Amino acid sequence: EDQVTQSPEALRLQEGESSSLNCSYTVSGLRGLFWYRQDPGKGPEFLFTLYSAGEEKEKERLKATLTKKESFLHITAPKPEDSATYLCAVHPSPDKLIFGTGTRLQVFP
Amino acid sequence: NAGVTQTPKFRVLKTGQSMTLLCAQDMNHEYMYWYRQDPGMGLRLIHYSVGEGTTAKGEVPDGYNVSRLKKQNFLLGLESAAPSQTSVYFCASSPPGQSPYEQYFGPGTRLTVT
Repeated sequence: EDQVTQSPEALRLQEGESSSLNCSYTVSGLRGLFWYRQDPGKGPEFLFTLYSAGEEKEKERLKATLTKKESFLHITAPKPEDSATYLCAVHPSPDKLIFGTGTRLQVFP
Repeated sequence: NAGVTQTPKFRVLKTGQSMTLLCAQDMNHEYMYWYRQDPGMGLRLIHYSVGEGTTAKGEVPDGYNVSRLKKQNFLLGLESAAPSQTSVYFCASSPPGQSPYEQYFGPGTRLTVT
């Protein structure tokens, strides 16, 4: 069964304290892995697409990496405005997109 | 560009009532989707459309119907609302020529069924 698991469920960081979020997946075939950011009361906002193991993408303080079984979202020197829920999704087949339950990140000044 | 908009933002229904949620996009996107988001669960696909006049079932289609009469609009209908349909509903769209799942989401509709 296709499955996506994100960890931790919640993460509290001090401003400037770098860390990583994990997205592990079990799918029959991977066409792509996606990261989204969701602020409270809003829709998810697209961040990155990764297609193959070894691929990396960066955007400001965020860097996403992909292996054959998991993806990491590294946050370097986070700021309070990085506080949000980060969602991972996998695309195992043309008509299927499976989302994880997300990691809720809080960054304190 | 307004992007993806959803109407209404909030709604309270009684069991058995019907309603339609409207999604509109002004980005000329071919693909459109309806999801529901519940606490402790990931976003789940209800129905989707790959173009005007076409619709298809997603992961949790029971109790919902959809229509895509115009390219820019995607309607989600609940014919007889049930408490299990209490959720936050998100519409999304994808542009042509890219991965169909690089999606742009609307702000959501919070629906409560009592």
